[in-house]
Amino acid sequence: QKEVEQDPGPLSVPEGAIVSLNCTYSNSAFQYFMWYRQYSRKGPELLMYTYSSGNKEDGRFTAQVDKSSKYISLFIRDSQPSDSATYLCAMRHTGTASKLTFGTGTRLQVTL
Amino acid sequence: SQTIHQWPATLVQPVGSPLSLECTVEGTSNPNLYWYRQAAGRGLQLLFYSVGIGQISSEVPQNLSASRPQDRQFILSSKKLLLSDSGFYLCACGQSSNQPQHFGDGTRLSIL
Repeated sequence: QKEVEQDPGPLSVPEGAIVSLNCTYSNSAFQYFMWYRQYSRKGPELLMYTYSSGNKEDGRFTAQVDKSSKYISLFIRDSQPSDSATYLCAMRHTGTASKLTFGTGTRLQVTL
Repeated sequence: SQTIHQWPATLVQPVGSPLSLECTVEGTSNPNLYWYRQAAGRGLQLLFYSVGIGQISSEVPQNLSASRPQDRQFILSSKKLLLSDSGFYLCACGQSSNQPQHFGDGTRLSIL
């Protein structure tokens, strides 16, 4: 079993829809959770960074962490064609090197 | 804020040839530096990380090596490339154990 599971998609939604992206994990030592957005042929770009259980909002993006269920989500409101990308979840436990464990990514397509 | 430079963006090399990929970081000092490889559908695999000059940790046995000759310079090398070394190589930087990692735009390496 992988430490982090993420549905690879592709996920296709119409413009303006609410998108829900999810990851589950098995290692209860993970304490920090991130969502990255990656456009084709580019490096991942950090979208959200959270530590505790609960919600964190930034513009159209909301990150949700449920440590008791080992489940994290990213919600995108009013999705735009420019949101079309691969979304990667990542997580790590405390430590000096801060090594990340990534999901395989979900490919999102927002259509006009 | 920090900026991560990677070059070249694209590289085509014959099997058995040497490799040198360079990553430099601006806007920060004494960062943790990371090399990842990304294969289609498999997420990001951590190859090497460094917490300081001359300090390299390898995560997976392989045909590659890494060096950190200066605080903000991280180099990925190989003496003889294999077909299996093809992939998208990403350099990342993290300032401390409480800060997320940020990525460069990667080098797409094709081995012929």
